[in-house]
Amino acid sequence: KAGVTQTPRYLIKTRGQQVTLSCSPISGHRSVSWYQQTPGQGLQFLFEYFSETQRNKGNFPGRFSGRQFSNSRSEMNVSTLELGDSALYLCASRSVVSNYGYTFGSGTRLTVV
Amino acid sequence: GQQLNQSPQSMFIQEGEDVSMNCTSSSIFNTWLWYKQDPGEGPVLLIALYKAGELTSNGRLTAQFGITRKDSFLNISASIPSDVGIYFCAGPNPNYGGSQGNLIFGKGTKLSVKP
Repeated sequence: KAGVTQTPRYLIKTRGQQVTLSCSPISGHRSVSWYQQTPGQGLQFLFEYFSETQRNKGNFPGRFSGRQFSNSRSEMNVSTLELGDSALYLCASRSVVSNYGYTFGSGTRLTVV
Repeated sequence: GQQLNQSPQSMFIQEGEDVSMNCTSSSIFNTWLWYKQDPGEGPVLLIALYKAGELTSNGRLTAQFGITRKDSFLNISASIPSDVGIYFCAGPNPNYGGSQGNLIFGKGTKLSVKP
């Protein structure tokens, strides 16, 4: 069965622009979480969605937002990009009836110049 | 904020050697997860632990959930070249009611081949 699909894989944006990243979870998975990975801070939680509702939000500024659609696909948006937003953004999905943790996608590598 | 202290930060392995790494926290966790990440890819779940004292194996990998619920250990026996990568421990953030959807990660242990 297909894994977690994130698009695009790579993205270059200019400071001040905004960006939307997409995540298609594993079929049947209704829980989706997003993480930011940087060399300095490591993996940090951004948001968690279940059935189109945001259940948790990490300690990121309001420029970071997300949503989940009725088919469980999720998007995250970053507005007014800053150089420090350059990172690997990872999406992970889980079946809520499973105890086996989240399955991660390969991520979107965002570079802000 | 919550932190998972993972050690060592990096280590070099020679094929056939056993490898050990650990993760500690000042808070109690109800789940410990171990992931491996290869360059350019997302983390892949290796082992999940759900009970204090639990010892679980996945092939040459063995992980333990510490009795105090504040630590976990991962051992790799008879390492092979494809074991190279970054290993992360993770657990549900206790500050968010231990939700499985909000994980805290350690900073990782980078395994490299001994020159």
